Amino acid sequence: GQQLNQSPQSMFIQEGEDVSMNCTSSSIFNTWLWYKQEPGEGPVLLIALYKAGELTSNGRLTAQFGITRKDSFLNISASIPSDVGIYFCGLSGGYQKVTFGTGTKLQVIP
Amino acid sequence: NAGVTQTPKFRVLKTGQSMTLLCAQDMNHEYMYWYRQDPGMGLRLIHYSVGEGTTAKGEVPDGYNVSRLKKQNFLLGLESAAPSQTSVYFCASSYSRRQGVYEQYFGPGTRLTVT
Repeated sequence: GQQLNQSPQSMFIQEGEDVSMNCTSSSIFNTWLWYKQEPGEGPVLLIALYKAGELTSNGRLTAQFGITRKDSFLNISASIPSDVGIYFCGLSGGYQKVTFGTGTKLQVIP
Repeated sequence: NAGVTQTPKFRVLKTGQSMTLLCAQDMNHEYMYWYRQDPGMGLRLIHYSVGEGTTAKGEVPDGYNVSRLKKQNFLLGLESAAPSQTSVYFCASSYSRRQGVYEQYFGPGTRLTVT
């Protein structure tokens, strides 16, 4: 089946620092997704990427669809305490089914 | 709009008991999904439905059954619960691809413990 590797598994950062996380896939897909999950909640879509090389921002978040179509990264600039949560990358396939990465748990130290 | 709702929020079962998890969405979405989330493993797709009356298996379907009798509801059943089914279950829904929107909307989850 589809292999989706996400790193790092967890991060502890100081408030104000920038954060970077990435995902790599064993196959080529056409849609990369980035979700955030807060404690006790379901995942919420942050950014969707549809074309190789695409760079998309959502506030302090920036994500890119890799040129090889097998990787993507998510950057968070100037982190704040409410950025705490688990960030998942995902690949969208037939019938919108999403294959999720294992997640990056982000903790922000005030 | 309530979005995607799930009932119950929490449940404790004994091995061998059965139960049904209910998911409801009020966004007129065609597609609905059930995922389970375990520590360190992300979310894995159990079953999904692309329309009323249709269901299909996902990545980890064993031990679960589903039904989509109405467009707005998607039920997940455990006939004989096992401790390995202790997990957090999420329901999601989305528009069909022809509408050009790819976002899945998730419910708040059901935390199930099987003892």
